[in-house]
Amino acid sequence: EIVLTQSPATLSLSPGERATLSCRASQSLSSYLAWYQQKPGQAPRLLIYDASTRATGIPDRFSGSGSGTDFTLTISSLEPEDFAVFYCQQRRNWPLTFGGGTKVEIK
Amino acid sequence: LQLQESGPGLVKPSETLSLTCAVSGGSISSSAYYWGWVRQSPGKGLEWIGSIYYSGTTYNNPSLKSRVTISIDTSKNQFSLKVRSMTAADTAVYYCARALFSVGMDVWGQGTTVTVSS
Repeated sequence: EIVLTQSPATLSLSPGERATLSCRASQSLSSYLAWYQQKPGQAPRLLIYDASTRATGIPDRFSGSGSGTDFTLTISSLEPEDFAVFYCQQRRNWPLTFGGGTKVEIK
Repeated sequence: LQLQESGPGLVKPSETLSLTCAVSGGSISSSAYYWGWVRQSPGKGLEWIGSIYYSGTTYNNPSLKSRVTISIDTSKNQFSLKVRSMTAADTAVYYCARALFSVGMDVWGQGTTVTVSS
């Protein structure tokens, strides 16, 4: 099973600041990594797939980068609605696995 | 496209959980997609349970051992999840989701809360 490790666990930032979230895989994923955003009481929402492709309707302040074992989700300038928990997920191998999540909270 | 989970909110220990995900606004028989279940224990992260293709091919998470069965009913445009021998550790919000092979889980149901308690 591929283990995904996200860091930091919590990121405390102010609106307008840049957020940088990390996801590290226990083995190479090529580019088969997705990012999801989850707000309290809601289902996850797909943000990024194939490491760097934004899903339909996702604002361009969200960007993904990386390949192999190291990936980054960047939010260029945080909007109030962006504060949430973010998960990475790999589809390189079955079973599909998620990272433990990074909570982006208002400072 | 919309997905809607349905099933009991309360299950007794050792019993079997049965959930259904009804798909509306699109066909479950499309070869471009597969369909899956993800759960989230209270205050915890996301755990993939398993997925099924319209042909009936399934992929399950070994962490749930052999307790899980996922099936699909193309005539009713729905797919289902059964988890046997439920314990308190299976208490979670259960989500169904559509996935594209080349993308990921792009459409999710709202989730249904399942509590295991006597």
